[in-house]
Amino acid sequence: SAVISQKPSRDICQRGTSLTIQCQVDSQVTMMFWYRQQPGQSLTLIATANQGSEATYESGFVIDKFPISRPNLTFSTLTVSNMSPEDSSIYLCSVEVVSNQPQHFGDGTRLSIL
Amino acid sequence: KQEVTQIPAALSVPEGENLVLNCSFTDSAIYNLQWFRQDPGKGLTSLLLIQSSQREQTSGRLNASLDKSSGRSTLYIAASQPGDSATYLCACRGGGSNYKLTFGKGTLLTVNP
Repeated sequence: SAVISQKPSRDICQRGTSLTIQCQVDSQVTMMFWYRQQPGQSLTLIATANQGSEATYESGFVIDKFPISRPNLTFSTLTVSNMSPEDSSIYLCSVEVVSNQPQHFGDGTRLSIL
Repeated sequence: KQEVTQIPAALSVPEGENLVLNCSFTDSAIYNLQWFRQDPGKGLTSLLLIQSSQREQTSGRLNASLDKSSGRSTLYIAASQPGDSATYLCACRGGGSNYKLTFGKGTLLTVNP
């Protein structure tokens, strides 16, 4: 198991600005992921955060829009850049502590863009 | 491309009733299937994980089954309680080095006292 802390828990931002979301885990983990949950939609994987190298992005997501950092095995950040109302979503960090065991999720960041 | 569907989208039952939530997936080449619970304003809580080689898993009043050949999983909740009210999500993990979880949209369960 793992305890995941995500900050901020929610924010209201202006169009065109950027926000960085932090994910801190209480133990070292190999795999960290960032998901997006748009209103009324299922969770969609944005990218896998790789320690010491560039993140692996899913189709439809690009580094310029969602830059990700992973400086060590317990911490990652996701930045949502040049935000528009379409970016209003819940953003969730998850980790896989042991391969083929349950993924654990943070409480998410609820983001609203005005 | 894996697609996951959950039926029904919403379900309302009286307390004490046994119920079944359904999940179907299009690609049977999965590594495992996970059921999650999401409470309003919260993240996801893992309930049960079924490996691709398993048929079912049980935890307390919860029982999840997996039929890979037909692309189906069910989550059975016995003797439902108001505290079970939440959105239930199923997710399939890809095979091999594909760690991606593909989620359904969830079933919103309301258990009425």
